[in-house]
Amino acid sequence: KNEVEQSPQNLTAQEGEFITINCSYSVGISALHWLQQHPGGGIVSLFMLSSGKKKHGRLIATINIQEKHSSLHITASHPRDSAVYICASKLQGAQKLVFGQGTRLTINP
Amino acid sequence: EAQVTQNPRYLITVTGKKLTVTCSQNMNHEYMSWYRQDPGLGLRQIYYSMNVEVTDKGDVPEGYKVSRKEKRNFPLILESPSPNQTSLYFCASSLYRDISPLHFGNGTRLTVT
Repeated sequence: KNEVEQSPQNLTAQEGEFITINCSYSVGISALHWLQQHPGGGIVSLFMLSSGKKKHGRLIATINIQEKHSSLHITASHPRDSAVYICASKLQGAQKLVFGQGTRLTINP
Repeated sequence: EAQVTQNPRYLITVTGKKLTVTCSQNMNHEYMSWYRQDPGLGLRQIYYSMNVEVTDKGDVPEGYKVSRKEKRNFPLILESPSPNQTSLYFCASSLYRDISPLHFGNGTRLTVT
């Protein structure tokens, strides 16, 4: 069982819809990253969280340390948001990053 | 411009022929790491380095070597590549290992025949 689980694996929505992607982890972490990967493209870091909530433009990331859960929200989604979104947890006391399997998001016009 | 530069972007080679994928960052970051990305398996960490001359294994280090002689460079070396190392590779860096965002290179698509 992967220590980091993402859901859903695939998500298709219409332009303008509110999007939520979830990430659950099983052990204590020191930080959680949300990454974006466009088809054929590189990986961009969207957020790094250790507590609370962060907002950048239409993107919002939240984390609940007690529940070991993080969410990435996209408001007023747009076709250019179509990408794979990956969460990665930095385990407490360890040096490695553990990645979720990714969520493939498709926003149709 | 602050960036992580990986080279080459694409590489096709044959089994057993030693190769090096270079990674360089211009942000004075302490932490650098290498990942491979495979369909169905996602991203997995190969090696990481917390500073010059300090490196350690990630989840899938077999068949790979790294070195960190200078802060800016962190090359990935495949001494004897095999077809199961065909993958998409990413280098990343961050200012400190725990609390800083990651900056990724553009990736290297390696094919070993």
